[in-house]
Amino acid sequence: QKEVEQNSGPLSVPEGAIASLNCTYSDRGSQSFFWYRQYSGKSPELIMFIYSNGDKEDGRFTAQLNKASQYVSLLIRDSQPSDSATYLCAVTREGGGADGLTFGKGTHLIIQP
Amino acid sequence: GAGVSQSPSNKVTEKGKDVELRCDPISGHTALYWYRQSLGQGLEFLIYFQGNSAPDKSGLPSDRFSAERTGGSVSTLTIQRTQQEDSAVYLCASSQNTDTQYFGPGTRLTVL
Repeated sequence: QKEVEQNSGPLSVPEGAIASLNCTYSDRGSQSFFWYRQYSGKSPELIMFIYSNGDKEDGRFTAQLNKASQYVSLLIRDSQPSDSATYLCAVTREGGGADGLTFGKGTHLIIQP
Repeated sequence: GAGVSQSPSNKVTEKGKDVELRCDPISGHTALYWYRQSLGQGLEFLIYFQGNSAPDKSGLPSDRFSAERTGGSVSTLTIQRTQQEDSAVYLCASSQNTDTQYFGPGTRLTVL
């Protein structure tokens, strides 16, 4: 049974601070890792993807992957109120994602103005 | 179109009726996925198409659920004899030979 675990939150962070979102996964065969943002009543929107151990930066977002610890994180620098949303961690095996994505239940992030 | 489109956006039906949900993927995307998101639950993977083929249908919740894809493009998810537990948002995603999936706006299904 493939599982992806996230703290449901809410995680409250003051505006301008760094928000740190964490995710662990059970399937050691997982090769691709994704962070999606989902606003209430909307569909998931891809934020970042990462395939290799280490850090990957894109603007205010940094994804971190540690396959040995089966741990993925997302850092959001200079948090803005518009970052308030549910952040979903998702993983998949190689092969074009034929198994589909396995999602965590998400972390609800609140950025306090 | 620029993104994945789904129709209808909302569907209210009576228990026992059949429903069809449609997904139009991003042009050129060969892979198409269906997911379900129930209230308070995570996204649940249902089925994957590569072209018109669905190699693995084991994610479908029951034999009341079926899906097809024609012409390597539009896909239809059909739920027969709907039950109240089928109420959820049904999301479609597409990708182009990669793992990176882009989601449509979803269809909110309510079974009374």
